[in-house]
Amino acid sequence: DAGVIQSPRHEVTEMGQEVTLRCKPISGHDYLFWYRQTMMRGLELLIYFNNNVPIDDSGMPEDRFSAKMPNASFSTLKIQPSEPRDSAVYFCASSLLSGANVLTFGAGSRLTVL
Amino acid sequence: AQKVTQAQTEISVVEKEDVTLDCVYETRDTTYYLFWYKQPPSGELVFLIRRNSFDEQNEISGRYSWNFQKSTSSFNFTITASQVVDSAVYFCALRIILTGGGNKLTFGTGTQLKVEL
Repeated sequence: DAGVIQSPRHEVTEMGQEVTLRCKPISGHDYLFWYRQTMMRGLELLIYFNNNVPIDDSGMPEDRFSAKMPNASFSTLKIQPSEPRDSAVYFCASSLLSGANVLTFGAGSRLTVL
Repeated sequence: AQKVTQAQTEISVVEKEDVTLDCVYETRDTTYYLFWYKQPPSGELVFLIRRNSFDEQNEISGRYSWNFQKSTSSFNFTITASQVVDSAVYFCALRIILTGGGNKLTFGTGTQLKVEL
C-alpha cells in the first residue's frame, strides 16, 4: 500500500491566488481528515469526512477554505483567496471506521503564501 | 470537551540518557483511545502506539515504554538509552467516539526532544 498521498509537497503562491491541495487516502479507509500545523497553533483539525460525507467542518477557519471529497479515493482542500496567514503545513490522514484505528498521515503539503 | 496537555515544550538530553515525555489528558468519556506520534525533522507524522481506556497495562517496545494511569489521566512515554535518531517532536493525542459515530483526534502541542552526542 502506498499510504496516504498528498500533492503538492510544496507550494509557494502570492496572496490572493487560489490554492488547491490534494489527497488520496488509503484504499478502504472510511474516514479522511484534514489537519493544519503551524508553530502558533500546533496541529488543528480542519474537517473530516466519513464515507465521502463531511461530518465536522467546525475547524475550517473561514469561508475562504473549502473541502470536498467527490469519491472514496480523492479529496481536495481549497483556499480562495489565499492570505499570508494561511502559510502552514497541511496534513491529510485516513483511517478505518473504528475509533480504535490509527490515523495514517500523508507527508504533508507545505504552503507558503507571500 | 477533550484536551491534551504536553507541558514540556522542549527537552535536551545527552545520548544514552533516559528521558520521559509527559502527557495529561482530559475527557468526560469513558471510552477513548490515546496515541503517541513522532514527527522527525523530515516532517511526516509517524504512529508509535495506541492504547484504549480499558487497558492500563504498561507497554514496552524495544527502548520505548509507555505508562498509562487513569487515576492521574496521564499517558507518559519513556525512551531508554536515547539516541540521536530519537530527536523529533513527539505528540500525544486523544481520540473519542462522538454521538452518531463520528470521531476526532485531538493533539497536544508536542514536545521537541533533542538528543545530543
